[in-house]
Amino acid sequence: GAGVSQTPSNKVTEKGKYVELRCDPISGHTALYWYRQSLGQGPEFLIYFQGTGAADDSGLPNDRFFAVRPEGSVSTLKIQRTERGDSAVYLCASSLTGRGSYNEQFFGPGTRLTVL
Amino acid sequence: RKEVEQDPGPFNVPEGATVAFNCTYSNSASQSFFWYRQDCRKEPKLLMSVYSSGNEDGRFTAQLNRASQYISLLIRDSKLSDSATYLCVVNSWNTGKLIFGQGTTLQVKP
Repeated sequence: GAGVSQTPSNKVTEKGKYVELRCDPISGHTALYWYRQSLGQGPEFLIYFQGTGAADDSGLPNDRFFAVRPEGSVSTLKIQRTERGDSAVYLCASSLTGRGSYNEQFFGPGTRLTVL
Repeated sequence: RKEVEQDPGPFNVPEGATVAFNCTYSNSASQSFFWYRQDCRKEPKLLMSVYSSGNEDGRFTAQLNRASQYISLLIRDSKLSDSATYLCVVNSWNTGKLIFGQGTTLQVKP
């Protein structure tokens, strides 16, 4: 079956611009997660959705970062006034449910964001 | 101090060798433990869950020591295809989020 998909696969932008990154989770998965992975590091949690609502946004680094999931399926991560330090691979994952006994998180291929 | 700590390596080993990776975690409330594998420029994929009783999957053995907050992964009879980064991961059921270590890079040489 179809896995998690993310678009675009690569995004190059200039400092100060606005970007949107899209994630399509596995059909039927109610939980969706965004992570960010910098070179040489493990993925770092950003935000977790259960259905349409953000259950935990404690990982968002500042108010330039925002994410939505209006219909409980597709999610968009939005970054305003991008900075060079935002350059990273942004990974999306989904799982059947969220909290409670562990549900395996399946990752998408990521969006590689480069801010010049 | 990072919540999950791993030696980044790299570990360079010959084919057929046995190699062990370790990691430590700081949050005693962590409830689920995993090893993920990540190939170069690919997404992480679950390799195996880790249980206190220890668990084995073919050439891979994982162990958890809750008292020491220590997780290990043993790979026997290394193959060239085992070359990857191995990520130690912990999770608390009430948060949903995964906490990743930095990853340990393994390079298996012919």
